[in-house]
Formats: sequence, C-alpha cells, structure tokens
Amino acid sequence: NAGVMQNPRHLVRRRGQEARLRCSPMKGHSHVYWYRQLPEEGLKFMVYLQKENIIDESGMPKERFSAEFPKEGPSILRIQQVVRGDSAAYFCASSPREGLADEQYFGPGTRLTVT
Amino acid sequence: GQNIDQPTEMTATEGAIVQINCTYQTSGFNGLFWYQQHAGEAPTFLSYNVLDGLEEKGRFSSFLSRSKGYSYLLLKELQMKDSASYLCAVRNAGNNRKLIWGLGTSLAVNP
Repeated sequence: NAGVMQNPRHLVRRRGQEARLRCSPMKGHSHVYWYRQLPEEGLKFMVYLQKENIIDESGMPKERFSAEFPKEGPSILRIQQVVRGDSAAYFCASSPREGLADEQYFGPGTRLTVT
Repeated sequence: GQNIDQPTEMTATEGAIVQINCTYQTSGFNGLFWYQQHAGEAPTFLSYNVLDGLEEKGRFSSFLSRSKGYSYLLLKELQMKDSASYLCAVRNAGNNRKLIWGLGTSLAVNP
C-alpha cells in the first residue's frame, strides 16, 4: 500500500507566478489535510477536505490560496501570485473514512521556494 | 482560545530516559497524538491517547491526564537516531478531524 504521495518535492517559483501542489492520499483514505511549516517552526493547519468538500479552511489565507479534492484525482493546493513569504514546506496528510482514533499519515512534503 | 505548550528544546544522553511534556487548553477533547519529525522529513505517528493512563509501545510510552490537560512522551534507552522534533497534537470534540498542533520539542541526543 503506497503512502501519501506529494509532487513536486521541490518547486521554485518567481514572485507573481502560480504554484500548484499535488497530494494523492493513501488508498482508501477520503480525508485530506494541508499544512505549512516554516524552518524551525511547528505545523500550521491550512485546510481539511473530504472528497469534493472543504470541511475547514480556517487556516488558509482568504486571498491567493485555494484547495480542492475532486472526486477523481489528487488534492490540489493552489497559490496564486506567490510572494517570498510563501516559501515553506507544505505537507499533506490523509486519514481513513471511519473512526476518530485514526492517525494522519503524512506525505514527504513539497518545498516551495519563491525567488 | 486553544493552546498547546511544549518545551522548545531538550538534551539527553544516549541510553538515558527523557520525558517530553505537553499541556493543552482546547475547546473540546477527542484524543491526543504524538508525532516524531526528523529534520527535513515528514512527521510520523508515534502514539494516540484518548483515555487517562499510560500507553506503552516498545521504547516509547505516552501518558494522558484529561483532568489536568496534560500528556507526556517517555523515551527509554535513548539512541542517537531519536534526535528529532516531537510534536504534540490534540483533536477537538465533534466530527471535525482537525488537529491542533504544538510547536514541537527539539530533542538532541548526545553520545
């Protein structure tokens, strides 16, 4: 059973460009979470999605950031008009459909660098 | 507000025992998780507590006291590879599976 997949692993964008980060959850997992982490800092929750639904986006900036988890295909975190402050590691995690005791499984992350 | 507190850094010696504390104040409680994160890598699951008491898993144990809003992670027979950041996270009550995360404790294991 493959783990959570994220791509690309490293992404370099110039200021003003768009960044698209992809996350494929573990097989059978229908809950996806996106986090941002700056060096030497903790995980910051951004958004929680189920298939075709955004459940909680309280941690995501209202402007320039959007997320989706379509019926088919990976979850996408999109950052429009990137700025230097968007440089960070973005982690995706997934968990199964049933049970609140289930832990979140993390992908390897995408390191975004904005130049 | 919701808050999770952990020490920022700890140092221990190879072969020793270390206890990493976590206190939390959240609007509800539906379980506490500990994760390990090595530098530059993704967090990996260590333990889950929802009832009071001690959960043991090999060299790692985790304790929870819901009335005190307190947990600790106990690492025994420390190895150099245990040098990592240890993250405490709490799930609120209700159906929202969102976790509230502490900033992590950076543990350095010295020879």
